[in-house]
Amino acid sequence: SQQGEEDPQALSIQEGENATMNCSYKTSINNLQWYRQNSGRGLVHLILIRSNEREKHSGRLRVTLDTSKKSSSLLITASRAADTASYFCATDARSNTGKLIFGQGTTLQVKP
Amino acid sequence: NAGVTQTPKFRVLKTGQSMTLLCAQDMNHEYMYWYRQDPGMGLRLIHYSVGEGTTAKGEVPDGYNVSRLKKQNFLLGLESAAPSQTSVYFCASSTPGVGYGYTFGSGTRLTVV
Repeated sequence: SQQGEEDPQALSIQEGENATMNCSYKTSINNLQWYRQNSGRGLVHLILIRSNEREKHSGRLRVTLDTSKKSSSLLITASRAADTASYFCATDARSNTGKLIFGQGTTLQVKP
Repeated sequence: NAGVTQTPKFRVLKTGQSMTLLCAQDMNHEYMYWYRQDPGMGLRLIHYSVGEGTTAKGEVPDGYNVSRLKKQNFLLGLESAAPSQTSVYFCASSTPGVGYGYTFGSGTRLTVV
């Protein structure tokens, strides 16, 4: 079963707008990660937030983590057409194996 | 620095045939993983390895076997392919410790007819 559930499944916005994607998970975690996948390509690691962190920034990306609600959000500010991709959250569930459980992903389309 | 390399990139198999997918990484990562990606299902873990000579089952291991004889290589085998194994297969590697994400290969698109 999937650890992460993402919302929305699909998102379409205009260039310059902000995009917010949400992820919920079920068990205690070491960290939560976000990945991007362009069509037909492998996944690329974007950002990692530890279980004792509440917010993290990387360029135009802002990730929040609420362990009490078992949820995270990814905000992409000032979106660009090149941000069009699928975005996945993944949780490291304290297994000491580095195993990640991925959500089903959010497909983001940024219209020029 | 190539990162994670998967071969082949595409393959069509007939039901019952066997094949091996190769994953090679040049980053000296300890951990390696095989995932499959199906439409609407996200990525599901097939098998993984936390070091040379060790392997373990993931979420969907049935019908697959793996080997990690060398630290840099992780092989995924299908002994008797079935149409349900039609998927895109991704290999990934990582190193222990908080703060590191996965490095993914570009994937193998497998069709079983």
